[in-house]
Amino acid sequence: GEDVEQSLFLSVREGDSSVINCTYTDSSSTYLYWYKQEPGAGLQLLTYIFSNMDMKQDQRLTVLLNKKDKHLSLRIADTQTGDSAIYFCAETGTGGFKTIFGAGTRLFVKA
Amino acid sequence: GAVVSQHPSWVICKSGTSVKIECRSLDFQATTMFWYRQFPKQSLMLMATSNEGSKATYEQGVEKDKFLINHASLTLSTLTVTSAHPEDSSFYICSASGGGQEKLFFGSGTQLSVL
Repeated sequence: GEDVEQSLFLSVREGDSSVINCTYTDSSSTYLYWYKQEPGAGLQLLTYIFSNMDMKQDQRLTVLLNKKDKHLSLRIADTQTGDSAIYFCAETGTGGFKTIFGAGTRLFVKA
Repeated sequence: GAVVSQHPSWVICKSGTSVKIECRSLDFQATTMFWYRQFPKQSLMLMATSNEGSKATYEQGVEKDKFLINHASLTLSTLTVTSAHPEDSSFYICSASGGGQEKLFFGSGTQLSVL
């Protein structure tokens, strides 16, 4: 079945850029998402990208999609301590129903 | 890793009937469970947060009498869609946290179709 994989941990210094990577297997993915989870809270949608795009920028966030390699990344510029959280990559296939989530990447931001 | 089992995977029901969806944590105690809803080609929408042994906290705009959530044990939460109507047709997914872990673990989702 479809799978989404991402690295478990990332540690960066405050002010540096963070890059969180994700790979997926579903070649029919139509939408790819990045969600943020803060401690004790549910998911918060950060950004999403359609599969016919290769880049999307939204303030400090840049999403890059390599559809050929089925690779998605999230870059956070000027990372702040408030960005410390778990980031989930997710994809939705054709039909737009079921969403498959990665296991989440824990971002630690050191002051 | 931790496993969250959600059942059923899909259900078709007649308008006016009630449907129960179960979410179980198989190898950890889920102190908090979340229920989400997803419409086609849209992102997940958090419906409610449920802590074991207490009433669920519903997000604004979600009818608590329509979507009944029970989290009676540390391994089971249920979502009951009461008197379902076609507009309730959607993909519902649960997630759970607990066992000393901060991360969320997701169920595989339930596709509900109301005829």
